[in-house]
Amino acid sequence: EDKVVQSPLSLVVHEGDTVTLNCSYEVTNFRSLLWYKQEKKAPTFLFMLTSSGIEKKSGRLSSILDKKELFSILNITATQTGDSAIYLCASLRGRGGADGLTFGKGTHLIIQP
Amino acid sequence: NAGVMQNPRHLVRRRGQEARLRCSPMKGHSHVYWYRQLPEEGLKFMVYLQKENIIDESGMPKERFSAEFPKEGPSILRIQQVVRGDSAAYFCASSLKGETEAFFGQGTRLTVV
Repeated sequence: EDKVVQSPLSLVVHEGDTVTLNCSYEVTNFRSLLWYKQEKKAPTFLFMLTSSGIEKKSGRLSSILDKKELFSILNITATQTGDSAIYLCASLRGRGGADGLTFGKGTHLIIQP
Repeated sequence: NAGVMQNPRHLVRRRGQEARLRCSPMKGHSHVYWYRQLPEEGLKFMVYLQKENIIDESGMPKERFSAEFPKEGPSILRIQQVVRGDSAAYFCASSLKGETEAFFGQGTRLTVV
């Protein structure tokens, strides 16, 4: 059974801090790893990582995948209160679509002013 | 271009009643996925549908749950004879093709009383 484990499960930091969220996976026929941000609504897509060692960046967010050690990290620099959310990591296996997504339980990030 | 639309946003049902959750995919998307998010758990895949076809229902409970995506109209997730354990947030996602990124709807929060 595919497994995705995120850590920490919750994290409270002050505005301006840098945070690193972790995601490890054990997936048969792994294809990609995805990060989503979930606030009080739908998960919104952040990154899809398929190649190892290539950093993807979007503003203050960046992410990288290590396919040898089977993990990914999501970094957020200069955090803001609007970054408070649950961050979901999901592995995508094999061919096919999002039916191949296995989600972790999420990291609940709280940014205090 | 409207996103994935789910309705209702909140649904309260008494034990034994039926719940119908609707999902209209993004314009042009013909692949629909249903997920369930239970408290303290991550998103769990339920079913993958294309127009008029169920592609993968490996995540669907064997009884009481069914899904359809007719030629015309939204995809419907139907839960018969609901029980308290069915209380959860149900998310729908759609994609253009089966192997591309999926976009999530706002979710329907089902409460069984």
